[in-house]
Formats: sequence, structure tokens, C-alpha cells
Amino acid sequence: QKEVEQNSGPLSVPEGAIASLNCTYSDRGSQSFFWYRQYSGKSPELIMFIYSNGDKEDGRFTAQLNKASQYVSLLIRDSQPSDSATYLCAAISSGGSYIPTFGRGTSLIVHP
Amino acid sequence: ETGVTQTPRHLVMGMTNKKSLKCEQHLGHNAMYWYKQSAKKPLELMFVYSLEERVENNSVPSRFSPECPNSSHLFLHLHTLQPEDSALYLCASSQTGTGDTDTQYFGPGTRLTVL
Repeated sequence: QKEVEQNSGPLSVPEGAIASLNCTYSDRGSQSFFWYRQYSGKSPELIMFIYSNGDKEDGRFTAQLNKASQYVSLLIRDSQPSDSATYLCAAISSGGSYIPTFGRGTSLIVHP
Repeated sequence: ETGVTQTPRHLVMGMTNKKSLKCEQHLGHNAMYWYKQSAKKPLELMFVYSLEERVENNSVPSRFSPECPNSSHLFLHLHTLQPEDSALYLCASSQTGTGDTDTQYFGPGTRLTVL
């Protein structure tokens, strides 16, 4: 069974700090990884995707992928109160699949 | 209209009612999905349609019946629901392929309450 694990949190960080969100996955065949942000009462929206080992940066966000350790992370630099949300990690397996497996999400609270 | 739209946004129904949720995507995608999201639980995939054919049905009770008449529209027909079916129902679409084209685009959801 394919599983994506996330600590449900909440993760609380002060404004301006780096927030580090982590995700592990069980299916070694997973090839594409996504981070979605979901504000309370709203639908998930894509922040970043990554499919190569290493780091991928987009503005204040950096996704990190380590396939050997089956580990994906999302770093948010200079955290803002508006970053407070639930962050969902998702993985898609190789072999032509396009159906993602979602983690249960990590709640992030950025306090002023 | 752009993106993925869902109607109604809120729905309250009794256990004996029949209602339908509608989803429409304006992105030219070829796959559509229904998810259920309950409080404090992860997203649960319910149904997947690719090119209007159902490719996944995650052991969903028969009181939920999906319909995909074309690649832009997806319905979820509801009948004799239970109070535990109260949740946020999310529709999503994607363009199947590899890498970033597998990104899910979600609609705003329908908040369903079953009395």
C-alpha cells in the first residue's frame, strides 16, 4: 500500500523564521512529488512540484527531494502570517500512473 | 469561467434526499477526480475518470454515484446518505502525463451536511 506520511503538527514558527515541513513516502517507485497549500475552508492549491533529487527553489519556497531516503521537504524562508495553512504532500508513482497519494497534511502557524 | 468550478458550494440534505454535485473544468484537461475531505482526515480519493472512463473507484459506497458525460463535466449523485458523509467534496482535474502535467487543479469544493 502506497503511503505518504506527514506530521500533522501544528508546527508553530515566529514571523521571519524558516519553516521546515517534512514528508516521507513508502513507494520507492514514486517519481513526482507535489506540495499543496490549503487554507482553512478552502481547496488545495499547488505550491511546487519536484521530481529530481536535490533542491528546487521558487521565491521563498524550496523543495528538497532525497529518493534514497524516500524523503521530501518544503522550506519556507521569511515565514509570514499569511503562510499559516495546512501543507499537503503528494506523490505519484512511475509507470504511467497519474493518480497521486496525499499525506494528511501539516498545519503551519506563523505567529507575529 | 476559468479553472475548476463546483456547484453548489454548500448543501444541506436529509438522509432520504437525492441531490447531485456538479463540477466543470475549463482547463482542457483529460482526467477528473472526486475527493472527500473530512475534518482532521487526509484527502480520500473517491473516483477517477480519464477520457470519460472511470479508472478508479476506491471502495466507495453505492450511495455515491459518479457520472462523467464528457471531459469537462463531472457529477456526483447522492442518495440516502448518512450523517458521517458530511464533508467537503472536492473536484479536481489534471492533464495526464509525467512531471508537472500531473498537477491537480482543485475546485472550491462543496460543503455537504447530512442531517
